[in-house]
Amino acid sequence: NAGVMQNPRHLVRRRGQEARLRCSPMKGHSHVYWYRQLPEEGLKFMVYLQKENIIDESGMPKERFSAEFPKEGPSILRIQQVVRGDSAAYFCASSLTGGYYGYTFGSGTRLTVV
Amino acid sequence: ELKVEQNPLFLSMQEGKNYTIYCNYSTTSDRLYWYRQDPGKSLESLFVLLSNGAVKQEGRLMASLDTKARLSTLHITAAVHDLSATYFCAVPSGNAGNMLTFGGGTRLMVKP
Repeated sequence: NAGVMQNPRHLVRRRGQEARLRCSPMKGHSHVYWYRQLPEEGLKFMVYLQKENIIDESGMPKERFSAEFPKEGPSILRIQQVVRGDSAAYFCASSLTGGYYGYTFGSGTRLTVV
Repeated sequence: ELKVEQNPLFLSMQEGKNYTIYCNYSTTSDRLYWYRQDPGKSLESLFVLLSNGAVKQEGRLMASLDTKARLSTLHITAAVHDLSATYFCAVPSGNAGNMLTFGGGTRLMVKP
């Protein structure tokens, strides 16, 4: 069991470019969550998805950020026109059901905007 | 809005000593999760506490949950250097209770 796979591990983008972060959940998990961690802070919830559906996006910034979890393939977190303030670690987690028995986190993508 | 507060935020302790990290939360929840994070790494699940009075132990770490007091504790017994990490508690939140609200973390340094 490969766990939650995220790629890339590190991503450098210039201001104004697009960033695409990928997350493949654990085998058999159909619930995916994205969190953002700023330096020296805890994780902040962004979005919760199931296959082809966004369940809760209350933590997503209103502009430039979007997420999807298609029927086939990984979940994608997309950040358009990145700014320096987007620099952070982005973690994906997955769960078998709604997370009652816990969540498994991926290794994260560290995004640096220069 | 749910708030989750941990204290202390930073803890430096000698090997062999005992200490407790506290996690308070502001709204009713019957579940709480503890995670460990090493620098530059992901979150490792330590404990899943699913009911009032739940107590779980793994090695030198023991976690408990008091849902009435809205308090969880993570107790460290006879600390060793390998326990140096940042520890987070997290409480379910959101409409369906599927998202986690994290505390700010407790950075633990265990000195030889």
